[in-house]
Amino acid sequence: GQNIDQPTEMTATEGAIVQINCTYQTSGFNGLFWYQQHAGEAPTFLSYNVLDGLEEKGRFSSFLSRSKGYSYLLLKELQMKDSASYLCAVSDSNYQLIWGAGTKLIIKP
Amino acid sequence: GAVVSQHPSWVICKSGTSVKIECRSLDFQATTMFWYRQFPKQSLMLMATSNEGSKATYEQGVEKDKFLINHASLTLSTLTVTSAHPEDSSFYICSARKQGDASPLHFGNGTRLTVT
Repeated sequence: GQNIDQPTEMTATEGAIVQINCTYQTSGFNGLFWYQQHAGEAPTFLSYNVLDGLEEKGRFSSFLSRSKGYSYLLLKELQMKDSASYLCAVSDSNYQLIWGAGTKLIIKP
Repeated sequence: GAVVSQHPSWVICKSGTSVKIECRSLDFQATTMFWYRQFPKQSLMLMATSNEGSKATYEQGVEKDKFLINHASLTLSTLTVTSAHPEDSSFYICSARKQGDASPLHFGNGTRLTVT
């Protein structure tokens, strides 16, 4: 079966760095997406990785290792507004998105 | 700016009535749109794939006669929750890809449905 695993919840301190991991097992692979979802709102797109390596976009970076079925989202200089759920999603061989359950990130002052 | 618009943002209806939710793609044509449902503290669940000019494809366990989908144009898909019951209360979100299959999904702002 297809499966996406990510931690349920993480806590970090304002100004610090946090890494949210995602491991996946899917039928084929056409890219991995990270989305941010604030409580009560729809998800917003953060990043897309299809090749191995690190993609940096401001305070957020996303890493992919296809051989390990592994990705992480790295958030630097954490701000209180970064408190949200972070969703990992993999596009399988049919371009269907397989969603992780999301990681709730709690930022403390 | 927003690329997918969803309306209404929230709706409260009485049990047994029907509710229609609209999803529009802005400045691009979407032959395919996706309807998701999300219950509190749970992940997104794909309900159905809306296909312009043809029948929607429903995921297993989703009643097609209860959740009517109409994708009549390249920029508009509608989801109608028929004979709504309290257990249908949820957050409904539509999405579309602006480009090809490998491009990211862009989500509407979602519709919070409360059935009393």
